[in-house]
Amino acid sequence: DTAVSQTPKYLVTQMGNDKSIKCEQNLGHDTMYWYKQDSKKFLKIMFSYNNKELIINETVPNRFSPKSPDKAHLNLHINSLELGDSAVYFCASSQSAGTSGRALQFFGPGTRLTVL
Amino acid sequence: GQQLNQSPQSMFIQEGEDVSMNCTSSSIFNTWLWYKQDPGEGPVLLIALYKAGELTSNGRLTAQFGITRKDSFLNISASIPSDVGIYFCAGLDQAGTALIFGKGTTLSVSS
Repeated sequence: DTAVSQTPKYLVTQMGNDKSIKCEQNLGHDTMYWYKQDSKKFLKIMFSYNNKELIINETVPNRFSPKSPDKAHLNLHINSLELGDSAVYFCASSQSAGTSGRALQFFGPGTRLTVL
Repeated sequence: GQQLNQSPQSMFIQEGEDVSMNCTSSSIFNTWLWYKQDPGEGPVLLIALYKAGELTSNGRLTAQFGITRKDSFLNISASIPSDVGIYFCAGLDQAGTALIFGKGTTLSVSS
């Protein structure tokens, strides 16, 4: 009965490869997010999706592309992986209605990506 | 862009001690949140604050939303070993679409 789940938990890959991280939430939320946590534990928003529509897109390389087949899923595709992409990626979800709805974000367990 | 300054960066305390950490910003936030992250896990929401001056408790945790809307603090009373982890403050950005996080306070508790 995990609220927000991500797969895989760990991902080790070579530079230049293309990879995907999957995220699913069973909370009935209509907004999902991807955050990146760097080696210094700093968390920064990358994307969010609301009703299949991208509503924010921070200054991330276009090698990163979020894809949402339905409102319970938001996958992250990364093309041509670089060493600097190594980090922990967290998926989160919330309701979109009202400030309190959007603020109450529930996070997945994270995917540790290591690019060699 | 909006930034949150969180302090202290780390704390080393004895079990049973009280702990205080805070977050400040040069810009106004309408919502403040405090999260805790255990090793290898995602952040877990501890307390959410929605109104300036609001003081909210969750067990041994107490947090306040500053009157100026530019700061918040989190207190932990009578710390126990399981309080170990990284505590993050966060605020909803001006567009109300994403959370901006502080850089975290790493808490170590020795028994």
